[in-house]
Amino acid sequence: DSGVTQTPKHLITATGQRVTLRCSPRSGDLSVYWYQQSLDQGLQFLIQYYNGEERAKGNILERFSAQQFPDLHSELNLSSLELGDSALYFCASSVLVGQGNTIYFGEGSWLTVV
Amino acid sequence: DQQVKQNSPSLSVQEGRISILNCDYTNSMFDYFLWYKKYPAEGPTFLISISSIKDKNEDGRFTVFLNKSAKHLSLHIVPSQPGDSAVYFCAAYGPTGSARQLTFGSGTQLTVLP
Repeated sequence: DSGVTQTPKHLITATGQRVTLRCSPRSGDLSVYWYQQSLDQGLQFLIQYYNGEERAKGNILERFSAQQFPDLHSELNLSSLELGDSALYFCASSVLVGQGNTIYFGEGSWLTVV
Repeated sequence: DQQVKQNSPSLSVQEGRISILNCDYTNSMFDYFLWYKKYPAEGPTFLISISSIKDKNEDGRFTVFLNKSAKHLSLHIVPSQPGDSAVYFCAAYGPTGSARQLTFGSGTQLTVLP
């Protein structure tokens, strides 16, 4: 158990819909990351937040957005869903941002768009 | 542009033998490297890391080697055990664009045969 909690674990929704994935980081971790893993693809970095502020942006679509709340939990919002958005979405957290900092992953939220 | 590459999608090794997983990177600004192990339906778990100021780091059966001049990273598992069967992701941390972030390879599926 990494200490990073993600909900829901599984989600099936229709194209055009909107979903919200939730992440609670490890206790004491200030940084939250979101990754997407599609079929046959490696882990793609989407976005990072540190203590409530956006820190880095990766390959995140404009239809997707995220935020980190004062209690440090984070939400990833996916809208106007397309079939290609079906993937495993991982949240990860770390204490700080910087060299030598290990990132711990949650178990992922499996999104299926039908 | 894949900055972190794992060119072998799969590797099979006999139990008790050495497993060698390879990773190449292109961004010379990467300064911290990590290996993650991932079982099906679980999040990646941290395995071992190495800073760019070192060329070797050992933790039990796992050793990571870094060759900065060749921009090459390898993970050695000795002896390999059936429980090591998983997908192994190489990751590199450093500046990409305007921020520092963790970039993952596409993973190598290791199968350890009993």
